[in-house]
Amino acid sequence: GAVVSQHPSRVICKSGTSVKIECRSLDFQATTMFWYRQFPKQSLMLMATSNEGSKATYEQGVEKDKFLINHASLTLSTLTVTSAHPEDSSFYICSARDGDTEAFFGQGTRLTVV
Amino acid sequence: EDQVTQSPEALRLQEGESSSLNCSYTVSGLRGLFWYRQDPGKGPEFLFTLYSAGEEKEKERLKATLTKKESFLHITAPKPEDSATYLCAVQAARGGSQGNLIFGKGTKLSVKP
Repeated sequence: GAVVSQHPSRVICKSGTSVKIECRSLDFQATTMFWYRQFPKQSLMLMATSNEGSKATYEQGVEKDKFLINHASLTLSTLTVTSAHPEDSSFYICSARDGDTEAFFGQGTRLTVV
Repeated sequence: EDQVTQSPEALRLQEGESSSLNCSYTVSGLRGLFWYRQDPGKGPEFLFTLYSAGEEKEKERLKATLTKKESFLHITAPKPEDSATYLCAVQAARGGSQGNLIFGKGTKLSVKP
């Protein structure tokens, strides 16, 4: 299957700082990328959908000024958690798809805000 | 409202003991149903896509089937390495081109040697 690389896999940051997470499609062009958040023993919750070169579409309840998404190229999307607080601690996962194919997921990023 | 319900929440099997996981869904027009495997601390790994009722797909000890209301993931003679959380997701056919997936909460499978 296609490979999606997500970096970093783990990050610990201080409250009030910003953290950037990268998601790269390594062997295909990702026309659409998705960002999810997952709490322990819970399902993946879609945060936003981004198409290359356009603004991301955020799900209801997700603050777009707090979770900045950039999809500048067909192989890279970034999620920046701005002014992070302990309640932002979670497992963040990206996925990517080319057109109408199945989506492939990154390895996930465990964010801990202290 | 589009919804995906997986059962059981957790399943413990002995090595070699075959069983099935269930994924029930309600969606306004099914575009596709997806099965993923997720190991602890990792992102989901794609297993299967099913598009229409009656469709079946197999991969090693796994077989996925689809009806108009549910999908089953059959595990034949499981091994300890099959232990993981199995996620089911649906993609609705209605409107838009985003194609985002709606996930169930998953079934955590443990296979004991």
